Amino acid sequence: GAVVSQHPSWVICKSGTSVKIECRSLDFQATTMFWYRQFPKQSLMLMATSNEGSKATYEQGVEKDKFLINHASLTLSTLTVTSAHPEDSSFYICSARDLQGPGTGELFFGEGSRLTVL
Amino acid sequence: SQQGEEDPQALSIQEGENATMNCSYKTSINNLQWYRQNSGRGLVHLILIRSNEREKHSGRLRVTLDTSKKSSSLLITASRAADTASYFCATDSGTYKYIFGTGTRLKVLA
Repeated sequence: GAVVSQHPSWVICKSGTSVKIECRSLDFQATTMFWYRQFPKQSLMLMATSNEGSKATYEQGVEKDKFLINHASLTLSTLTVTSAHPEDSSFYICSARDLQGPGTGELFFGEGSRLTVL
Repeated sequence: SQQGEEDPQALSIQEGENATMNCSYKTSINNLQWYRQNSGRGLVHLILIRSNEREKHSGRLRVTLDTSKKSSSLLITASRAADTASYFCATDSGTYKYIFGTGTRLKVLA
């Protein structure tokens, strides 16, 4: 199946700093990518839909100025957690759909990025 | 909450037994998918079932869908210790924004 790469897999930062997480589709083009957040032993909560060449669409309750999303190319979307605080510590996962492939609409997920804010 | 509900929240069985987990959702859907997540890892797609399908099989997996009850079930037959993971259902209402269920944590004891 298609491959989605996420980097970094884990990051520790000080409170007040910004952290960028990258999500790349390695063998397909993804005009749309999705960013999820997952707390320990909980489900995935959709944060935003990242659209190539246009603004991201944020879910209700997600601060767009806090979680900056840029989808500058057909294979890369980035999530920047700005002025991170301990409550932003979480597991962030991206996903993408391969619309050109023979698949049936399944989402391909990155391996996730664990953010710890001290 | 937009999330679907899954039950049980946690399931512990012996190797070789079957594991059944259920998912209920709230809105009409185009399709429903099941995913598996090992601890601290990303999600792996298991199976997709469309709204006009009632049952699908893939290896040891069997998925059913009842759109009248807005529910789905995932059956893993002859479970193995390696099946230990969290399992999530995810629904698509046609917007390609998948909404995930609360998940079932399965533990298969060797």
